[in-house]
Amino acid sequence: EAQVTQNPRYLITVTGKKLTVTCSQNMNHEYMSWYRQDPGLGLRQIYYSMNVEVTDKGDVPEGYKVSRKEKRNFPLILESPSPNQTSLYFCASRGTSVEQFFGPGTRLTVL
Amino acid sequence: AQSVAQPEDQVNVAEGNPLTVKCTYSVSGNPYLFWYVQYPNRGLQFLLKYITGDNLVKGSYGFEAEFNKSQTSFHLKKPSALVSDSALYFCREGYSSASKIIFGSGTRLSIRP
Repeated sequence: EAQVTQNPRYLITVTGKKLTVTCSQNMNHEYMSWYRQDPGLGLRQIYYSMNVEVTDKGDVPEGYKVSRKEKRNFPLILESPSPNQTSLYFCASRGTSVEQFFGPGTRLTVL
Repeated sequence: AQSVAQPEDQVNVAEGNPLTVKCTYSVSGNPYLFWYVQYPNRGLQFLLKYITGDNLVKGSYGFEAEFNKSQTSFHLKKPSALVSDSALYFCREGYSSASKIIFGSGTRLSIRP
């Protein structure tokens, strides 16, 4: 089944404790991206990747890092999480079609 | 600058009545427009898209959207609402060759029995 998977689905952590949210897709898509969803703000793009080893900042990249060492994986890294990064995070991928496929989401709470 | 606006935070409709969820856009050039639906505790699901061609686009679950270039709008419609249509709806704009993708702020659709 074609899908985008994210782990963990739920995470509660404390300020300053480094964490990684994994994202993986099995559709051989070149384009992958991360979004955060906050009430009243819709989805805002954090980072995107056009291909392996090619990443770039979206609209709200501060406090986040990404890497794209393999085509299928695009982890989101929070080196020192802060409470304002409490949010719902979505990973998405896209192939030659303009349609994006979204993961199920990761709900992160930073205390 | 590229932007997408969903002017209504919430839309309330009685079951069986037609529904409209509004979206307007601002881009230079030809837009690529999409609608997604999000059910509670789920990711976004694709409903329909407009790239080129007919202004009326038909999508999943009986939804359709009309592209109106003069009004820069791409409103989502359904002739007869179902309670199961209650969800959060997002309009999206993004060129196929561009990396930046812009989502609207979302509209919560509530269908009452």
